[in-house]
Amino acid sequence: DTAVSQTPKYLVTQMGNDKSIKCEQNLGHDTMYWYKQDSKKFLKIMFSYNNKELIINETVPNRFSPKSPDKAHLNLHINSLELGDSAVYFCASSQDLDAPQHFGDGTRLSIL
Amino acid sequence: GQQLNQSPQSMFIQEGEDVSMNCTSSSIFNTWLWYKQDPGEGPVLLIALYKAGELTSNGRLTAQFGITRKDSFLNISASIPSDVGIYFCAGQLSGNTPLVFGKGTRLSVIA
Repeated sequence: DTAVSQTPKYLVTQMGNDKSIKCEQNLGHDTMYWYKQDSKKFLKIMFSYNNKELIINETVPNRFSPKSPDKAHLNLHINSLELGDSAVYFCASSQDLDAPQHFGDGTRLSIL
Repeated sequence: GQQLNQSPQSMFIQEGEDVSMNCTSSSIFNTWLWYKQDPGEGPVLLIALYKAGELTSNGRLTAQFGITRKDSFLNISASIPSDVGIYFCAGQLSGNTPLVFGKGTRLSVIA
């Protein structure tokens, strides 16, 4: 009955590879987000989508491409992975743009 | 980008003690949120504040939205071992602007 679920939980891959992280929410929320948490635990928003429409894109490199096939899903595809991409990526959702956000348990991405 | 100053950075307290942490911003927010993150998990919402001056409680937790809209504090009364974790404040101006997080307060409770 997980509200916001991300897969995989751990992702270890080599530099230069392309990978995807999936996120699904079963809360019926309209808005979904992707965050990056660095090694110092600093959380920073990457993208937000409302009703499948991109609302916020916080100067994230073009190698990161979010895709929202429907309101319940927001996937993150990353091309040409770099060492600096190593972090924990969190998906979140909220009822609407103004409502509090609820987070998934994160995907730990390690680049070798 | 916009940042919140959250303090203290870390705290070591005895079980049963009260805890206070706060966040300040150079610009106003219309929403303040407090989250707790346990190891290996995502942040969990503790309290949401929507009006300047608002004081809200959730069990042993109490948070206030500063009257200037540039600060917020979180108090935890009678701490217990499961209060251990990282506490984050977050502020948002509107739904079309990013939710900005503080750098967290790492709380350790000594039994």
